[in-house]
Amino acid sequence: NAGVMQNPRHLVRRRGQEARLRCSPMKGHSHVYWYRQLPEEGLKFMVYLQKENIIDESGMPKERFSAEFPKEGPSILRIQQVVRGDSAAYFCASSPFTGNTGELFFGEGSRLTVL
Amino acid sequence: KNEVEQSPQNLTAQEGEFITINCSYSVGISALHWLQQHPGGGIVSLFMLSSGKKKHGRLIATINIQEKHSSLHITASHPRDSAVYICAVRETSGSRLTFGEGTQLTVNP
Repeated sequence: NAGVMQNPRHLVRRRGQEARLRCSPMKGHSHVYWYRQLPEEGLKFMVYLQKENIIDESGMPKERFSAEFPKEGPSILRIQQVVRGDSAAYFCASSPFTGNTGELFFGEGSRLTVL
Repeated sequence: KNEVEQSPQNLTAQEGEFITINCSYSVGISALHWLQQHPGGGIVSLFMLSSGKKKHGRLIATINIQEKHSSLHITASHPRDSAVYICAVRETSGSRLTFGEGTQLTVNP
């Protein structure tokens, strides 16, 4: 039973390019969370998704960032027109249960570097 | 003031020592998580607590809901315990986690 899989593990982009980060939750998990860890800072919530639905996106920057979790396939965090300040580690976590009751399982993270 | 405060920020110990990391929070919560992060590595969930105490191997986590405080203890510490330990709370009002800044633990042989 594979854990939460994130890819790519490392991604380098130039300013203005697009970054796509993928997260495959654990088998049977239908709840996905994305978190961002800026250099030398703590983790911050970005978005909570269930299959085909965005439940809470209150932590997402208003522009350039979007997330989806389609019926089939991984969850994707998309960053358009990246800037240097987007350089960070992006972690995905999945849970089998809704809201407040589920234990979280984290992926290894995707480390984005914007040149 | 952060909603989740951890102390100490940095902790250096000798192998074998008993270690305590503290977490205080200011919001109503439904659960508290203790996480471990190795340098450049992923995040491992150590405990999820809503009351009382949990033990796993050399790790013990306790929570006092009335005092809004949790502690993570490591008995007989080992250099492989060196990592950042992060406290995170899930507020009763929503689904998001709010994280502490983390405690960098270094255990020297």
